[in-house]
Amino acid sequence: SQQGEEDPQALSIQEGENATMNCSYKTSINNLQWYRQNSGRGLVHLILIRSNEREKHSGRLRVTLDTSKKSSSLLITASRAADTASYFCATGSFNAGGTSYGKLTFGQGTILTVHP
Amino acid sequence: DGGITQSPKYLFRKEGQNVTLSCEQNLNHDAMYWYRQDPGQGLRLIYYSQIVNDFQKGDIAEGYSVSREKKESFPLTVTSAQKNPTAFYLCASRPTTGPNYGYTFGSGTRLTVV
Repeated sequence: SQQGEEDPQALSIQEGENATMNCSYKTSINNLQWYRQNSGRGLVHLILIRSNEREKHSGRLRVTLDTSKKSSSLLITASRAADTASYFCATGSFNAGGTSYGKLTFGQGTILTVHP
Repeated sequence: DGGITQSPKYLFRKEGQNVTLSCEQNLNHDAMYWYRQDPGQGLRLIYYSQIVNDFQKGDIAEGYSVSREKKESFPLTVTSAQKNPTAFYLCASRPTTGPNYGYTFGSGTRLTVV
């Protein structure tokens, strides 16, 4: 079953605008990660936020995490046509012993199209 | 340059055939993973390995097999028991020291049943 669910499924904006994608999940996590996938390619890791963090920045990316609502958002500021891709959130969870075993569960992704 | 290499990029399988997808990494990562992606879908975990000579089933392991004889290599065999194998297959790796590391992905193998 899918742990993360992204919203919206597709987003179309103009270059220079901001893009916001949301992710909700169901079970306890120890981190949440965002990945980008260009069509027909592998995924590229963008950013990781730990469960005890609330916000993280990397260049034009801003990620927030609200563990009480089991949700996260990815904001891309000043978007460019080259940002056109699918974006996935993935959650890392604990095993029965309370430690992370590195498995990630991916959502179905948001398709972002940035028009020049 | 360090990274993960998947081969071949495209693979065609006849009904009833077994095929093996290659995944090699030179990142010195302990953990390796195989995911399957169907059109418009997210990734589903097939198998993963945290250490040489050990691997665990993921969410959709039926019809697949793996081996981990070397740290660098984690090949996936799609057997004839996998009834719907047409998909995009992605291999990934990560260091296992500490929980908070992202995955490094290969560029994928697109498998088509003909």
